[in-house]
Amino acid sequence: GQQVQQSPASLVLQEGENAELQCNFSSTATRLQWFYQRPGGSLVSLLSNPSGTKHTGRLTSTTVTKERRGSLHISSSQITDSGTYLCAMGLNYGSSGNKLIFGIGTLLSVKP
Amino acid sequence: EAAVTQSPRSKVAVTGGKVTLSCHQTNNHDYMYWYRQDTGHGLRLIHYSYVADSTEKGDIPDGYKASRPSQENFSLILELASLSQTAVYFCASSRGEQYFGPGTRLTVL
Repeated sequence: GQQVQQSPASLVLQEGENAELQCNFSSTATRLQWFYQRPGGSLVSLLSNPSGTKHTGRLTSTTVTKERRGSLHISSSQITDSGTYLCAMGLNYGSSGNKLIFGIGTLLSVKP
Repeated sequence: EAAVTQSPRSKVAVTGGKVTLSCHQTNNHDYMYWYRQDTGHGLRLIHYSYVADSTEKGDIPDGYKASRPSQENFSLILELASLSQTAVYFCASSRGEQYFGPGTRLTVL
């Protein structure tokens, strides 16, 4: 079936270091969406792009749809970046809907 | 600001009881979704809807029903709750990118 694999499973950084999170998916996705899940459980959408590179703040998402891979780069990590990062691939239902297949996530811990 | 809200935020239910989880969105989105998250698993799609009064099965619909009485509201119904349905449930809406609610932690005893 359709799968999303994330790596690494966990990552420990010193504050200020950069992080590179990887996502590989098994089907032709229409988009890759990255989420941050807070320790309390709520989900925050970070970036969503069908292909290419997209930036917001210290985050850069790169999606290479033909190669079925994507990455999330976090620059100058901060302690408050700690949490779980989820990658999800989108499969279109129609003109405005899509189904998301999620990976299990990368647990990021940033130490002072 | 556009938002997806869920109620209740947490619930304890007894095995065999009926549970209704509610979701409300102010995004004016056509699509709404229900996912569940279990430890060690990614979020998995239970039901979704693209128009009021219509729902569709997702990947793991067994044991769940859904109801979409209006564009803004989408409910997930567990007619006979079971232990295996203990999980965190997320609702989302979309017009392209999906926006998620805060989640409902359901414990079935």
